[in-house]
Amino acid sequence: GAVVSQHPSWVICKSGTSVKIECRSLDFQATTMFWYRQFPKQSLMLMATSNEGSKATYEQGVEKDKFLINHASLTLSTLTVTSAHPEDSSFYICSARVIREGHEQYFGPGTRLTVT
Amino acid sequence: GDSVTQMEGPVTLSEEAFLTINCTYTATGYPSLFWYVQYPGEGLQLLLKATKADDKGSNKGFEATYRKETTSFHLEKGSVQVSDSAVYFCALIWGYNKLIFGAGTRLAVHP
Repeated sequence: GAVVSQHPSWVICKSGTSVKIECRSLDFQATTMFWYRQFPKQSLMLMATSNEGSKATYEQGVEKDKFLINHASLTLSTLTVTSAHPEDSSFYICSARVIREGHEQYFGPGTRLTVT
Repeated sequence: GDSVTQMEGPVTLSEEAFLTINCTYTATGYPSLFWYVQYPGEGLQLLLKATKADDKGSNKGFEATYRKETTSFHLEKGSVQVSDSAVYFCALIWGYNKLIFGAGTRLAVHP
């Protein structure tokens, strides 16, 4: 149980275009989903916290107009990278927190974005 | 603020060697502590956790004990395998705040 999926697993896009990444909790409902960014050989950096039906809370230094987060249901959150640039190339990972299990987060497999 | 410090890697071991990856933390409250593992090209998997002092988390031969007096949560395994090669992240969370990750320690196990 507690499986989180991400789609796509990898994507290549041209500079200036927008890319949407989906994060789904497959067998549970998640009140909260988190979006992380990971650069090569580095730790995860929390970008934003997303609660179902409300606006996402962004970490300091993360541009909310560039990284649009929508959490439309208890099983789906999306991250849209708008007007992508090569510096946005990274590994994006989402996680979901189970309603009844307090702190534990379950992580998706990640999406590798390459902007050319 | 809350933080997690892990030993720097990479850690290179021969198969069947003993593994220790050190992790210490600073926290204002009484956090829950976690070890996550990340295999190449994948997301994170929870390896083990401990929610209060003196708890021992264990899974797949890995163990870590929540030591409040030394604010540590060191990861150990008695006999590593090649398949254990991955990056290991120590993390803490307190209340419903965000997960705080260490920098990660890369483990490479050779036959």
